Amino acid sequence: DAKTTQPTSMDCAEGRAANLPCNHSTISGNEYVYWYRQIHSQGPQYIIHGLKNNETNEMASLIITEDRKSSTLILPHATLRDTAVYYCIVRAGGTSYGKLTFGQGTILTVHP
Amino acid sequence: DTEVTQTPKHLVMGMTNKKSLKCEQHMGHRAMYWYKQKAKKPPELMFVYSYEKLSINESVPSRFSPECPNSSLLNLHLHALQPEDSALYLCASSQGITAASGNTIYFGEGSWLTVV
Repeated sequence: DAKTTQPTSMDCAEGRAANLPCNHSTISGNEYVYWYRQIHSQGPQYIIHGLKNNETNEMASLIITEDRKSSTLILPHATLRDTAVYYCIVRAGGTSYGKLTFGQGTILTVHP
Repeated sequence: DTEVTQTPKHLVMGMTNKKSLKCEQHMGHRAMYWYKQKAKKPPELMFVYSYEKLSINESVPSRFSPECPNSSLLNLHLHALQPEDSALYLCASSQGITAASGNTIYFGEGSWLTVV
């Protein structure tokens, strides 16, 4: 599976949009981009995923560049409860097993 | 409903004890997983079950023994563990093991294990 690169940490003011970048320059055509987050002492929480198109759900938006080599997770109005480690994961698609391999992630701190 | 339930939430065991961690889901998922997470590290895959059969073992030591009694339950039997096995053990499930749409993996809250 393709590897991802994320900043180690980021800060965001409460109420502002949080934009979390992820580089996956070696992604192949059938690999998906998944985002999870892990709030301290809890299990990872699924946020969103996409293949080629931008995606939006009730939690966040996922913007994938046209060449698919990078993506950005957007939390439109960050709250203190969004403070967590955010993992960007590239997961193999197709008919074979798609392993979910976590990297180091980005520690997002939302401050008042 | 995307709930995966794990029990117990906390477990302290001696190195000679035998204990089990339990995981349950009622989403009709046919794939279930065990992950291990050490402090300040990302989760690491241990085992994958698909249709109640062990599909993947990520070279996990035999002192960890998984069991899938039925499609809703997943156990992790622990025996002769070492202090370095102390970690958060996460169970997860998904409809299938591919990344096809609808096969999102959902995690439980984990079981904190301390080996003394």
